[in-house]
Amino acid sequence: QLQLQESGPGLVKPSETLSLSCTVSGDSIKNSGSFWGWIRQPPGKGLEWIGSIYLNGRTYNNPSLKSRLTITVDTSKNQFSLKLTSVTAADTAEYFCARYNSSRGYFDPWGQGTLVTVSS
Amino acid sequence: QSVLTQPPSVSGAPGQGVTISCTGSRSNIGARFDVHWYRQVPGTAPKLLIFGNNNRPSGVPDRFFGSKSGTSASLAITGLQAEDEADYYCQSYDSSLSGPVFGGGTKLTVL
Repeated sequence: QLQLQESGPGLVKPSETLSLSCTVSGDSIKNSGSFWGWIRQPPGKGLEWIGSIYLNGRTYNNPSLKSRLTITVDTSKNQFSLKLTSVTAADTAEYFCARYNSSRGYFDPWGQGTLVTVSS
Repeated sequence: QSVLTQPPSVSGAPGQGVTISCTGSRSNIGARFDVHWYRQVPGTAPKLLIFGNNNRPSGVPDRFFGSKSGTSASLAITGLQAEDEADYYCQSYDSSLSGPVFGGGTKLTVL
């Protein structure tokens, strides 16, 4: 059974870089033939797609974050990662990673999520 | 403000049914992109409930039914049970954004 797990600092200072990783277990990230994505949810609010990456490294990012966002994949570690630069309090959110089924367009399964707070 | 519009809340008594709407536009639902639904219990990750407009993943009871017409979609839940209390989100793809988009979520309360 495919499982995803987010990891990274829970507290980031304003103007610094938020870095998260998502470790895939239960299968090789190379075997799934899918896109891998990041979604976030500010406290008490709805879901927002951040960006997605395919195994060949091609990325698709939310235009509202594009200039600050880098998503990479490391098949040797069965991981993909997120870096968001110049963070502000508005970036405080629960961050989820998920597999994105690009042929039908849905996310499944999801990681359990990790809360990142931007504060000095 | 979310690209897809959902009512903030719906409620129903045990055993009754409710419908949650999801309204989009010609660049997403109306452009024939599939609609998917997720269920999220507060404090946990969203979980796929309906994919491809009206398909249920293994383990999802047939009390949950998805439909789509024009620029809108709906999630119908029949025979409400207490454990159905959760937040429900619709999701599609938007050609203007060139990426997935979500509704703002609907909180279901079982009275």
